[in-house]
Amino acid sequence: RKEVEQDPGPFNVPEGATVAFNCTYSNSASQSFFWYRQDCRKEPKLLMSVYSSGNEDGRFTAQLNRASQYISLLIRDSKLSDSATYLCVVNGRGSYIPTFGRGTSLIVHP
Amino acid sequence: EAGVTQSPTHLIKTRGQQATLRCSPISGHTSVYWYQQALGLGLQFLLWYDEGEERNRGNFPPRFSGRQFPNYSSELNVNALELEDSALYLCASILGFGPEAFFGQGTRLTVV
Repeated sequence: RKEVEQDPGPFNVPEGATVAFNCTYSNSASQSFFWYRQDCRKEPKLLMSVYSSGNEDGRFTAQLNRASQYISLLIRDSKLSDSATYLCVVNGRGSYIPTFGRGTSLIVHP
Repeated sequence: EAGVTQSPTHLIKTRGQQATLRCSPISGHTSVYWYQQALGLGLQFLLWYDEGEERNRGNFPPRFSGRQFPNYSSELNVNALELEDSALYLCASILGFGPEAFFGQGTRLTVV
C-alpha cells in the first residue's frame, strides 16, 4: 500500500460546482497534513494546512479524519482558475520528510 | 525575499552522461529536499539534507547523490544517466523541521 493515495481523476466539473477530493495515508503516526496545488509544468505551492478541527479558507475547506486516516479538500463555487493538480502531503512523526500523493487533477470548464 | 532558486531550468543530456543540478534555498532555511517528478507520476522523495548532512534518502540507486554546502545550497548529481531519469527535479527548502515546504521552479532533465 502506498503511503499517500489519491484518486488521480481527472475531475471534470462546470464552473460553480462543488467538488471534493479525498486522500488516504497509511502511517497512523503522521503528524502534519497539507494540500498543495500544482499548475501544469510548474512547482507545487502550499494551498492550505489541514487540522483535526478542520479549516476553511474562502471557498476551500480541508478536513482531517485521524481515525480513518484520510484528509479531504472541498472546493465550492469552482472557478476556471481552480483547474490544477491538487497534491495531498503528509509529514510523518520523526521523519520530517513531506510525502506526496500522486495528485488529483481538476478541470473546471465553462 | 528571494524564493528557492534552481539551475539550470532545462538540461538535455545523453544516456551515460552525468548531470548536476543546483538549488539555493530561501535565506535562513537549513533543510533542502530533492524530489523527482516523472511525467504523469507524483513527487518521489530523493534526498534530504540538513545542516550540511545527508539525513535520509529515498528508494533510488546510488548513482543519485548530492551534497549540501556551508551556505545551505545543494547540488544533486545523477551519474550514468538512463532514459527513465528524464523528469522534473524539484528542490524544496524548509525552515528547521517545517512544516511548510517551499519549492523552486524545478530543473527539467531530458535524457536522450
